[in-house]
Amino acid sequence: GAVVSQHPSWVICKSGTSVKIECRSLDFQATTMFWYRQFPKQSLMLMATSNEGSKATYEQGVEKDKFLINHASLTLSTLTVTSAHPEDSSFYICSAGPITDTQYFGPGTRLTVL
Amino acid sequence: GNSVTQMEGPVTLSEEAFLTINCTYTATGYPSLFWYVQYPGEGLQLLLKATKADDKGSNKGFEATYRKETTSFHLEKGSVQVSDSAVYFCALSEGAGANSKLTFGKGITLSVRP
Repeated sequence: GAVVSQHPSWVICKSGTSVKIECRSLDFQATTMFWYRQFPKQSLMLMATSNEGSKATYEQGVEKDKFLINHASLTLSTLTVTSAHPEDSSFYICSAGPITDTQYFGPGTRLTVL
Repeated sequence: GNSVTQMEGPVTLSEEAFLTINCTYTATGYPSLFWYVQYPGEGLQLLLKATKADDKGSNKGFEATYRKETTSFHLEKGSVQVSDSAVYFCALSEGAGANSKLTFGKGITLSVRP
């Protein structure tokens, strides 16, 4: 149980385009999901907390107009990187927790912006 | 604020060697503590956790004890295998339920030689 999926697993896009990444909880409902960014050989940085039915809460320094988060249902959250640039290339990871204080992570999405 | 400090890596061991990965934390309250593992090409997986002082988390031969007096949660395994090669992250969560934010250490890469 407690499986989280992400789609796509890898995306390559041109600079200036927008990319949408989906995060789904497959066997549980999640009122809250988290979005992280991971740079090569570095730790995870929390970007935002995605709340079902309300606005996301962004961490300090994260541009909310650039990283649009929508939590459309109890099993789906999306992250849209708008007007992507090469510096946005990274590994984006979502997580969610069903009941306890344990979060379960998606496999991640590797974004490469050319 | 909360923080997690892990020992510097990478770590390279021979198969069947003893493993210790140090982790210390700073928190204002009484956090839950976690070790996550990221195998090559995969997402983070929960390895073990402990929710209160003196608790011992264990899984797959790995153990870690929540030491409040030394604010530590060191990861140990008596005999590592090649399949344990991965990146290990120590993390803490302060607050109740699945909506609590995770604070991660920088992670440490473990390589086990046959």
